Amino acid sequence: DIQMTQSPSTLSASVGDRVTITCRASQSISSWLAWYQQKPGKAPNLLVYKASTLESGVPPRFSGSGSGTEFTLTISSLRPDDSAIYYCQQYDSYSLTFGQGTKVEIK
Amino acid sequence: QVHLQESGPGLVEPSETLSLTCTVSGASINNRGCSWGWIRQPPGRKLEWVGSFHPGGNTYYNLSLTSRVAISVDTSKNDFSLRLNFVTAADTAVYYCARRLDYRGFDIWGQGTLVTVS
Repeated sequence: DIQMTQSPSTLSASVGDRVTITCRASQSISSWLAWYQQKPGKAPNLLVYKASTLESGVPPRFSGSGSGTEFTLTISSLRPDDSAIYYCQQYDSYSLTFGQGTKVEIK
Repeated sequence: QVHLQESGPGLVEPSETLSLTCTVSGASINNRGCSWGWIRQPPGRKLEWVGSFHPGGNTYYNLSLTSRVAISVDTSKNDFSLRLNFVTAADTAVYYCARRLDYRGFDIWGQGTLVTVS
């Protein structure tokens, strides 16, 4: 299986801050990466697919970049509603794998 | 509007079989161009992909579960089901069904159902 490693595990930032989450794959996955946001008690919500394509309806303050083994999700200006856990997921292989999640807290 | 709904027992005894069904509305599960999957999340832990089927193609499973898991499809009811045999407490989780369009992530999810093994 392809292993996905996210960093940091938790981050605390203020409203208006620029926030970056990193996801590393154990082998090259080209651009076959998705990002999700999950709030407590809710199903995950797709934010980005193919590493950098924003899902319809997702605010433009979210952006994704990267290819190969290193990827980032950036929130350009953090809002209170962005408090959540963020997961990356690779789909280069038919055996899909998720990162362990990054919890974003608002200071 | 595509909607997915999980259903099944919320409590399963150890060593028994977990069975869940995902009913799809607003789209045909026969449509190519997407796959339908199960993802689970133990309480307080990360998401774990369980398996997916591709209409007209193959079904794929998490390698760590492949000896115990099966996904079946009922096109007449437009639903698909998960069976997980010989469950233990480690299988306690919220189980989600979801759709994944080809070359994209899982874009439509059910609300999830908690299954407790006890």
